[in-house]
Amino acid sequence: GAGVSQSPSNKVTEKGKDVELRCDPISGHTALYWYRQSLGQGLEFLIYFQGNSAPDKSGLPSDRFSAERTGGSVSTLTIQRTQQEDSAVYLCASSLMGINQPQHFGDGTRLSIL
Amino acid sequence: SQQGEEDPQALSIQEGENATMNCSYKTSINNLQWYRQNSGRGLVHLILIRSNEREKHSGRLRVTLDTSKKSSSLLITASRAADTASYFCATDGGGSGNTGKLIFGQGTTLQVKP
Repeated sequence: GAGVSQSPSNKVTEKGKDVELRCDPISGHTALYWYRQSLGQGLEFLIYFQGNSAPDKSGLPSDRFSAERTGGSVSTLTIQRTQQEDSAVYLCASSLMGINQPQHFGDGTRLSIL
Repeated sequence: SQQGEEDPQALSIQEGENATMNCSYKTSINNLQWYRQNSGRGLVHLILIRSNEREKHSGRLRVTLDTSKKSSSLLITASRAADTASYFCATDGGGSGNTGKLIFGQGTTLQVKP
Protein backbone atom coordinates (compact mmCIF):
# COMPACT_ATOMS: atom_id res chain seq x y z
CA GLY A 1 0.00 0.00 0.00
CA ALA A 2 0.94 3.67 -0.06
CA GLY A 3 3.52 4.89 2.39
CA VAL A 4 3.70 8.14 4.30
CA SER A 5 3.47 11.07 1.92
CA GLN A 6 4.89 14.51 2.64
CA SER A 7 4.56 17.74 0.69
CA PRO A 8 6.21 19.79 -0.52
CA SER A 9 9.44 17.84 -0.88
CA ASN A 10 11.40 21.08 -0.93
CA LYS A 11 10.52 24.55 0.29
CA VAL A 12 12.61 27.70 0.02
CA THR A 13 11.28 30.79 1.71
CA GLU A 14 12.44 34.11 3.06
CA LYS A 15 13.10 34.72 6.71
CA GLY A 16 9.98 35.96 8.47
CA LYS A 17 7.49 34.13 6.25
CA ASP A 18 5.13 31.43 7.49
CA VAL A 19 5.31 27.90 6.07
CA GLU A 20 2.99 24.90 6.16
CA LEU A 21 4.21 21.36 5.77
CA ARG A 22 1.81 18.50 5.10
CA CYS A 23 1.86 14.84 6.04
CA ASP A 24 -0.45 12.06 4.84
CA PRO A 25 0.07 9.03 7.09
CA ILE A 26 -0.47 5.41 6.19
CA SER A 27 -4.16 4.57 6.22
CA GLY A 28 -5.16 2.98 9.52
CA HIS A 29 -2.19 4.31 11.46
CA THR A 30 -3.51 6.13 14.52
CA ALA A 31 -0.17 7.50 15.69
CA LEU A 32 1.57 10.32 13.84
CA TYR A 33 4.92 11.92 14.65
CA TRP A 34 6.89 14.92 13.41
CA TYR A 35 10.68 14.98 13.67
CA ARG A 36 13.28 17.47 12.54
CA GLN A 37 16.67 16.50 11.12
CA SER A 38 19.47 19.04 10.96
CA LEU A 39 23.24 18.80 10.71
CA GLY A 40 23.91 20.26 14.10
CA GLN A 41 21.13 18.60 16.11
CA GLY A 42 20.56 15.27 14.42
CA LEU A 43 17.04 13.82 14.57
CA GLU A 44 14.76 15.54 17.09
CA PHE A 45 11.21 14.71 18.11
CA LEU A 46 8.77 17.59 17.67
CA ILE A 47 5.17 16.47 18.27
CA TYR A 48 3.03 13.33 18.51
CA PHE A 49 -0.65 12.70 17.79
CA GLN A 50 -2.57 9.63 18.91
CA GLY A 51 -6.24 9.31 18.08
CA ASN A 52 -8.35 11.85 19.96
CA SER A 53 -5.86 12.23 22.81
CA ALA A 54 -4.17 15.55 23.48
CA PRO A 55 -1.00 15.76 21.40
CA ASP A 56 2.44 15.51 23.00
CA LYS A 57 3.99 18.86 22.07
CA SER A 58 7.03 18.50 24.31
CA GLY A 59 9.50 18.65 21.42
CA LEU A 60 8.33 21.85 19.77
CA PRO A 61 11.28 24.29 19.97
CA SER A 62 9.27 27.50 20.25
CA ASP A 63 5.75 28.91 20.12
CA ARG A 64 6.34 29.69 16.44
CA PHE A 65 5.81 25.99 15.79
CA SER A 66 2.37 24.41 15.82
CA ALA A 67 0.73 21.36 14.33
CA GLU A 68 -2.71 19.95 13.87
CA ARG A 69 -4.18 16.70 12.72
CA THR A 70 -7.58 16.89 11.12
CA GLY A 71 -9.98 13.97 11.21
CA GLY A 72 -7.34 11.70 12.64
CA SER A 73 -5.51 11.56 9.32
CA VAL A 74 -3.66 14.39 7.55
CA SER A 75 -1.39 16.57 9.65
CA THR A 76 -0.01 20.04 9.03
CA LEU A 77 3.07 21.47 10.72
CA THR A 78 3.13 25.27 10.66
CA ILE A 79 6.15 27.43 11.34
CA GLN A 80 5.42 31.12 11.78
CA ARG A 81 7.91 33.94 11.25
CA THR A 82 10.59 31.54 10.04
CA GLN A 83 14.18 31.97 11.14
CA GLN A 84 17.35 30.71 9.49
CA GLU A 85 17.84 28.16 12.26
CA ASP A 86 14.55 26.55 11.17
CA SER A 87 16.32 25.27 8.05
CA ALA A 88 16.22 21.48 8.28
CA VAL A 89 14.51 18.40 6.93
CA TYR A 90 11.12 17.86 8.56
CA LEU A 91 10.15 14.20 8.72
CA CYS A 92 6.74 12.75 9.42
CA ALA A 93 6.15 9.19 10.60
CA SER A 94 3.11 7.11 11.39
CA SER A 95 2.54 3.86 13.20
CA LEU A 96 -0.08 1.57 14.63
CA MET A 97 -1.02 2.19 18.23
CA GLY A 98 1.26 0.71 20.90
CA ILE A 99 4.72 1.19 22.29
CA ASN A 100 6.40 -1.63 20.36
CA GLN A 101 5.41 -0.57 16.88
CA PRO A 102 7.86 0.42 14.16
CA GLN A 103 7.44 3.87 12.70
CA HIS A 104 7.10 4.43 8.97
CA PHE A 105 8.66 7.61 7.66
CA GLY A 106 7.98 9.85 4.72
CA ASP A 107 10.83 11.27 2.63
CA GLY A 108 10.57 14.59 4.41
CA THR A 109 10.33 18.25 3.47
CA ARG A 110 13.65 20.02 3.04
CA LEU A 111 13.10 23.55 4.31
CA SER A 112 15.56 26.29 3.48
CA ILE A 113 15.21 29.76 4.99
CA LEU A 114 17.02 32.50 3.11
CA SER B 1 18.06 15.90 23.76
CA GLN B 2 19.75 13.02 22.02
CA GLN B 3 20.28 10.05 24.27
CA GLY B 4 21.77 7.57 21.83
CA GLU B 5 25.41 7.56 21.00
CA GLU B 6 26.65 5.54 18.09
CA ASP B 7 30.05 4.45 17.00
CA PRO B 8 31.77 4.53 14.74
CA GLN B 9 30.49 7.76 13.20
CA ALA B 10 31.70 6.54 9.82
CA LEU B 11 32.64 3.12 8.49
CA SER B 12 34.07 2.16 5.11
CA ILE B 13 34.35 -1.50 4.07
CA GLN B 14 34.62 -3.66 0.98
CA GLU B 15 31.68 -5.54 -0.44
CA GLY B 16 31.34 -8.94 1.19
CA GLU B 17 32.76 -7.84 4.52
CA ASN B 18 30.72 -7.56 7.70
CA ALA B 19 29.81 -4.22 9.25
CA THR B 20 29.23 -3.70 12.96
CA MET B 21 27.72 -0.58 14.46
CA ASN B 22 27.26 0.10 18.15
CA CYS B 23 24.73 2.16 20.05
CA SER B 24 24.55 3.24 23.67
CA TYR B 25 21.64 4.86 25.45
CA LYS B 26 20.96 6.39 28.84
CA THR B 27 17.45 5.68 30.10
CA SER B 28 15.21 2.65 30.50
CA ILE B 29 13.57 1.38 27.34
CA ASN B 30 10.65 -0.67 26.13
CA ASN B 31 12.42 -1.33 22.86
CA LEU B 32 15.34 -0.29 20.70
CA GLN B 33 14.98 0.12 16.96
CA TRP B 34 17.40 0.41 14.05
CA TYR B 35 16.65 2.48 10.99
CA ARG B 36 18.45 3.06 7.68
CA GLN B 37 18.47 6.31 5.76
CA ASN B 38 19.62 6.66 2.19
CA SER B 39 20.75 10.08 1.08
CA GLY B 40 17.82 12.46 0.60
CA ARG B 41 15.26 9.93 1.74
CA GLY B 42 13.29 9.17 4.88
CA LEU B 43 14.14 6.53 7.43
CA VAL B 44 13.39 2.89 6.78
CA HIS B 45 12.68 0.63 9.74
CA LEU B 46 15.04 -2.34 9.89
CA ILE B 47 14.46 -4.17 13.15
CA LEU B 48 12.91 -3.71 16.59
CA ILE B 49 14.22 -5.52 19.65
CA ARG B 50 12.23 -5.46 22.87
CA SER B 51 13.84 -4.87 26.24
CA ASN B 52 13.36 -8.52 27.26
CA GLU B 53 15.09 -9.82 24.12
CA ARG B 54 18.84 -10.26 23.77
CA GLU B 55 19.28 -11.04 20.10
CA LYS B 56 17.24 -10.79 16.95
CA HIS B 57 17.87 -11.70 13.33
CA SER B 58 16.36 -10.46 10.09
CA GLY B 59 17.97 -11.67 6.88
CA ARG B 60 21.57 -10.42 6.89
CA LEU B 61 20.94 -8.30 9.98
CA ARG B 62 21.72 -9.33 13.54
CA VAL B 63 20.92 -7.10 16.48
CA THR B 64 21.98 -7.62 20.05
CA LEU B 65 20.77 -5.81 23.14
CA ASP B 66 22.45 -5.62 26.54
CA THR B 67 20.18 -3.71 28.90
CA SER B 68 22.66 -4.00 31.77
CA LYS B 69 25.18 -2.03 29.70
CA LYS B 70 22.50 0.02 27.93
CA SER B 71 23.99 -0.88 24.58
CA SER B 72 23.07 -2.50 21.29
CA SER B 73 24.89 -3.56 18.18
CA LEU B 74 23.83 -3.99 14.57
CA LEU B 75 25.74 -6.47 12.43
CA ILE B 76 25.29 -6.53 8.66
CA THR B 77 26.81 -9.65 7.18
CA ALA B 78 28.09 -10.07 3.63
CA SER B 79 27.63 -6.38 2.89
CA ARG B 80 26.60 -5.08 -0.52
CA ALA B 81 27.11 -1.73 -2.20
CA ALA B 82 23.37 -1.16 -1.77
CA ASP B 83 23.86 -1.21 2.02
CA THR B 84 25.62 2.16 1.73
CA ALA B 85 23.52 4.47 3.93
CA SER B 86 23.32 6.04 7.37
CA TYR B 87 22.15 3.81 10.19
CA PHE B 88 20.42 5.10 13.31
CA CYS B 89 19.47 3.49 16.56
CA ALA B 90 16.44 4.82 18.39
CA THR B 91 14.91 4.21 21.79
CA ASP B 92 11.50 5.02 23.19
CA GLY B 93 12.53 6.26 26.62
CA GLY B 94 10.74 3.46 28.51
CA GLY B 95 7.70 3.59 30.77
CA SER B 96 4.18 2.27 30.35
CA GLY B 97 2.77 5.67 29.55
CA ASN B 98 5.34 6.48 26.92
CA THR B 99 3.94 7.81 23.69
CA GLY B 100 6.39 5.88 21.58
CA LYS B 101 8.26 8.97 20.44
CA LEU B 102 11.75 7.99 19.43
CA ILE B 103 15.06 9.34 20.63
CA PHE B 104 17.71 8.90 17.97
CA GLY B 105 21.43 8.47 18.04
CA GLN B 106 23.68 10.54 15.81
CA GLY B 107 24.00 7.72 13.32
CA THR B 108 26.74 5.75 11.60
CA THR B 109 27.51 6.46 7.96
CA LEU B 110 28.36 3.21 6.20
CA GLN B 111 30.09 3.10 2.84
CA VAL B 112 30.37 -0.26 1.11
CA LYS B 113 32.82 -0.21 -1.78
CA PRO B 114 32.13 -2.51 -4.72
